[in-house]
Amino acid sequence: SQQGEEDPQALSIQEGENATMNCSYKTSINNLQWYRQNSGRGLVHLILIRSNEREKHSGRLRVTLDTSKKSSSLLITASRAADTASYFCATDARQAGTALIFGKGTTLSVSS
Amino acid sequence: GAVVSQHPSRVICKSGTSVKIECRSLDFQATTMFWYRQFPKKSLMLMATSNEGSKATYEQGVEKDKFLINHASLTLSTLTVTSAHPEDSSFYICSANRQIGETQYFGPGTRLLVL
Repeated sequence: SQQGEEDPQALSIQEGENATMNCSYKTSINNLQWYRQNSGRGLVHLILIRSNEREKHSGRLRVTLDTSKKSSSLLITASRAADTASYFCATDARQAGTALIFGKGTTLSVSS
Repeated sequence: GAVVSQHPSRVICKSGTSVKIECRSLDFQATTMFWYRQFPKKSLMLMATSNEGSKATYEQGVEKDKFLINHASLTLSTLTVTSAHPEDSSFYICSANRQIGETQYFGPGTRLLVL
């Protein structure tokens, strides 16, 4: 079953602009992870934020987590054409160590 | 960093045949691995949890006799799609993590096309 929803489903921006993607989920979590997937390829782990964290940075990525609203956001600053991909949030919604449940994803297109 | 591999990366088979997909954790031991399926332009859907030395746990709606999972060692899980049909054509991805609650690492995926 799908845990959450990302919005927007699709996002088109110009190089240099910032891209913000949101993710909502339904149940209590231990952590939330963001992944990137290029078309037809495997997943690349971007960042993990734990339920007791509110914000995390990694390079041009900034992730926030609001457990009261059961939502997270991924911000990519100064986007590049190479950032074009699908982005998924995933939560471990059950006991720690079990599988991730994925949102529907946001398809980001960055044009130069 | 942790690496998870899958083999084969792509397979084309005739309807009615069985296909085995391997998932290996290359630099760590994984007592638990996970199998996902992804249809075009869709998200990943969890199929089953593969447990080393015991039976796999299947998600609702996933036929265990159709998708056979064997986790015979701490570094290898296999998914066998039995009597494959065109509707089984999909992208199959496995994952594993070093420790409970930590980052999950995904294999590169196996694209299955059943003719």
